[in-house]
Amino acid sequence: KQEVTQIPAALSVPEGENLVLNCSFTDSAIYNLQWFRQDPGKGLTSLLLIQSSQREQTSGRLNASLDKSSGRSTLYIAASQPGDSATYLCAVRPNLDSGTYKYIFGTGTRLKVLA
Amino acid sequence: DVKVTQSSRYLVKRTGEKVFLECVQDMDHENMFWYRQDPGLGLRLIYFSYDVKMKEKGDIPEGYSVSREKKERFSLILESASTNQTSMYLCASSSNNLHPYEQYFGPGTRLTVT
Repeated sequence: KQEVTQIPAALSVPEGENLVLNCSFTDSAIYNLQWFRQDPGKGLTSLLLIQSSQREQTSGRLNASLDKSSGRSTLYIAASQPGDSATYLCAVRPNLDSGTYKYIFGTGTRLKVLA
Repeated sequence: DVKVTQSSRYLVKRTGEKVFLECVQDMDHENMFWYRQDPGLGLRLIYFSYDVKMKEKGDIPEGYSVSREKKERFSLILESASTNQTSMYLCASSSNNLHPYEQYFGPGTRLTVT
């Protein structure tokens, strides 16, 4: 059974730091992995999606990497800003031949960037 | 831009009431999902639909039903609301074709059952 873990559960950093958020999954048979941001009381906003054949994706100050064989993905945030404060979640979609449409979510890392 | 909208941001209902949560997406997506999100438990899948009139149970379907009569609309129904259904409800959609399986979420409905 696929399990997705995000450690740490919470993180505080001073403004301007570069930081890395981690996402681990137990079954490497994934179709893609998606990173989301969630502000308090709001829905999830898609940040980056990495297909299983890709190693990384970049959008602005964000870079997500994927190592399927080790079951790990990282989200790198460069030059963090107070506006980056939010909860970050990752989700994996199993392979298309798995017979399921389900996505499996991690429980998230709550990030606070201090001004 | 994909847009997923939910009928209410906040809802307060009484125990035993029948509750309807509506979700509409404007990108002709085949797949639609209902999740609930609770502190410490993360997102849990209630139901999903991969086509009109098609539905499959997720991990926690008890006490809920769904309806998908049109491709763009997916409704979650609480047949008889109970206090343990107080939660944040999130709707999502995804395509099988363009940007395959990338999920897009609505703003959420915070439901309180008293």
